[in-house]
Amino acid sequence: AQSVTQLDSQVPVFEEAPVELRCNYSSSVSVYLFWYVQYPNQGLQLLLKYLSGSTLVKGINGFEAEFNKSQTSFHLRKPSVHISDTAEYFCAVPGAGSYQLTFGKGTKLSVIP
Amino acid sequence: GAGVSQSPSNKVTEKGKDVELRCDPISGHTALYWYRQRLGQGLEFLIYFQGNSAPDKSGLPSDRFSAERTGESVSTLTIQRTQQEDSAVYLCASSLGPGGGTEAFFGQGTRLTVV
Repeated sequence: AQSVTQLDSQVPVFEEAPVELRCNYSSSVSVYLFWYVQYPNQGLQLLLKYLSGSTLVKGINGFEAEFNKSQTSFHLRKPSVHISDTAEYFCAVPGAGSYQLTFGKGTKLSVIP
Repeated sequence: GAGVSQSPSNKVTEKGKDVELRCDPISGHTALYWYRQRLGQGLEFLIYFQGNSAPDKSGLPSDRFSAERTGESVSTLTIQRTQQEDSAVYLCASSLGPGGGTEAFFGQGTRLTVV
C-alpha cells in the first residue's frame, strides 16, 4: 500500500530563516514523489516532483527536495523563507493504480516577520 | 480554459438536500480526479475518470456520492441527502493522462457547508 507521513502539522519559522518540511513514504511500486503547495483559499499547485535521476530536485519559488531511498524520505527545504511562503504543503505519492495521488495530511508553514 | 474551473466556489445547503458540484478540466486532459479535503485533514481520493474507461469509484465514502463525466469534458459530483460530515472542500484535478509521474492540475475547490 502507498502512504505518506508528514511528521509536522505546523511549522512556524522567522522570515529569512531556513526551513525543512519532512515527508516519509511507503510504496510498493515505482517511486514517484510530489510536493504540492496550497495558498489560502486556493487549489493545490505543484512545487516539484521526483520521477528518476538526480536525487536532488529543484522546484519553483526556491524550494528543493532530496529523495532518500534508504530513509524513505523526501524532505522539502528552502534556505531562506519569505512571508509569501506562508501556505500549506502536501507531500504525495501515486496510489496502487499508479495514477491517483495519495496525500499526506499537510504541513502548515507560517512565516513570522 | 486556462485552468481547472470549479463551480460554485461556495455552497451552503441544508441537511438532507442534494447538491451538485461541477468541474471543467483543462482542455485535452483525459484524466480527471475528485478529492475531498476536510478541515485539518489531507486530501481524500474520491473518484477517477480516464477517457472512456470505467471510472475508479473506490474512494466514494457512501452510495450517497456519485459522479459523472461526459467524454473528456465536464464532470459533476452529486451528493444526495447531505449530512453535516459532508462539509468539506471538494477539489477537482485533471491531467494529460494516467501514469504516476503525470502532474495533476487542481481547481480552486468548492467549499461545501451543510447546516
